[in-house]
Amino acid sequence: AQKITQTQPGMFVQEKEAVTLDCTYDTSDQSYGLFWYKQPSSGEMIFLIYQGSYDEQNATEGRYSLNFQKARKSANLVISASQLGDSAMYFCAVLGNEKLTFGTGTRLTIIP
Amino acid sequence: SQTIHQWPATLVQPVGSPLSLECTVEGTSNPNLYWYRQAAGRGLQLLFYSVGIGQISSEVPQNLSASRPQDRQFILSSKKLLLSDSGFYLCAGRVRYYGYTFGSGTRLTVV
Repeated sequence: AQKITQTQPGMFVQEKEAVTLDCTYDTSDQSYGLFWYKQPSSGEMIFLIYQGSYDEQNATEGRYSLNFQKARKSANLVISASQLGDSAMYFCAVLGNEKLTFGTGTRLTIIP
Repeated sequence: SQTIHQWPATLVQPVGSPLSLECTVEGTSNPNLYWYRQAAGRGLQLLFYSVGIGQISSEVPQNLSASRPQDRQFILSSKKLLLSDSGFYLCAGRVRYYGYTFGSGTRLTVV
């Protein structure tokens, strides 16, 4: 079974600053995938970034990057140059054995 | 590309009434399909998943059931709703290893 821990229930960040959202995970699978999703107030789940457990390079997608530290079982999301539209819930998830398991999320609020 | 359709967007049901939420997939075939529930301000809890027609795996014992009568159709049901069934229900589909797609969700309030 997988377990995801997101220790920051809420964060406030000044616009244009970078922000790091923490995520640690526990899985017994040798091969797994790590995801980050954004959920605005509308409720839709927006895929941000993916990292495979065997990928040696950290994943990047535009302003999003994933700081993957496999030995520490850590997969932090870094958002550079935050924007007001980044205000939302952010969920870390791990895919293993055909199932995607989510953390409890971090509510990010960008302050103008 | 894969699109997940869910309806209705919102639903208010009395305690003890039945429930049927439908999820359909467009654009792909033979997807893995998932039902998640999200309580207010909480993370997503996996309820059921299906790797094929008639194949349902239940993750959490509860008042709900799921069925997959067709390849691109996934249904979440209850015979008698409880107050604790209130929440935001999301259907998701996956074809490729990293290709998870979510529907827009159904906000269920049991009164």
